Amino acid sequence: SQELEQSPQSLIVQEGKNLTINCTSSKTLYGLYWYKQKYGEGLIFLMMLQKGGEEKSHEKITAKLDEKKQQSSLHITASQPSHAGIYLCGADNEGGSEKLVFGKGTKLTVNP
Amino acid sequence: AAGVIQSPRHLIKEKRETATLKCYPIPRHDTVYWYQQGPGQDPQFLISFYEKMQSDKGSIPDRFSAQQFSDYHSELNMSSLELGDSALYFCASSCAGSWANYGYTFGSGTRLTVV
Repeated sequence: SQELEQSPQSLIVQEGKNLTINCTSSKTLYGLYWYKQKYGEGLIFLMMLQKGGEEKSHEKITAKLDEKKQQSSLHITASQPSHAGIYLCGADNEGGSEKLVFGKGTKLTVNP
Repeated sequence: AAGVIQSPRHLIKEKRETATLKCYPIPRHDTVYWYQQGPGQDPQFLISFYEKMQSDKGSIPDRFSAQQFSDYHSELNMSSLELGDSALYFCASSCAGSWANYGYTFGSGTRLTVV
């Protein structure tokens, strides 16, 4: 079965600071999804990356996919308390399969 | 915009009881997925349906069953509940034709507590 390793497991930053969360797969990545989850709530779709070298941005969040390294990074610029939550990466490791396997998440705390 | 609707939001059941969770996908979405997320755990894929037929199966216990109805809503039936079944159950939906571009959308989940 796949393994998706996220790092760090938790992150505490001061408001305004930049941060990066990484997601590394032990298998080939056919698609990489980033979700944000508030504690005990639903998963909010952030971005999906499919092609090596692909980079997407939404507001202050940028995600990149390094297909060769089977890795994706999520970068938040000038973090705000509203960015706090658990960030989960999900991967399609079967190429065309519609089920995702998830990493264990990175808990982000942003102190005002 | 309409989202994936799950009901109920919270459910408390006793051991050995039965629970039914419902999921109403986004209109015109033809595929439904169920995930289970235990406390502090990552979501685990249970089962999916496409056009009312089971399309994929994950780590779903034999005590659980699910189906997708003609109106595309889905129900997850859980019998002989155990304490370990306490978790957040998410439903997600997608449109098969556009999944590759847009992935799928999760509902807010049903929190099941077995006591």
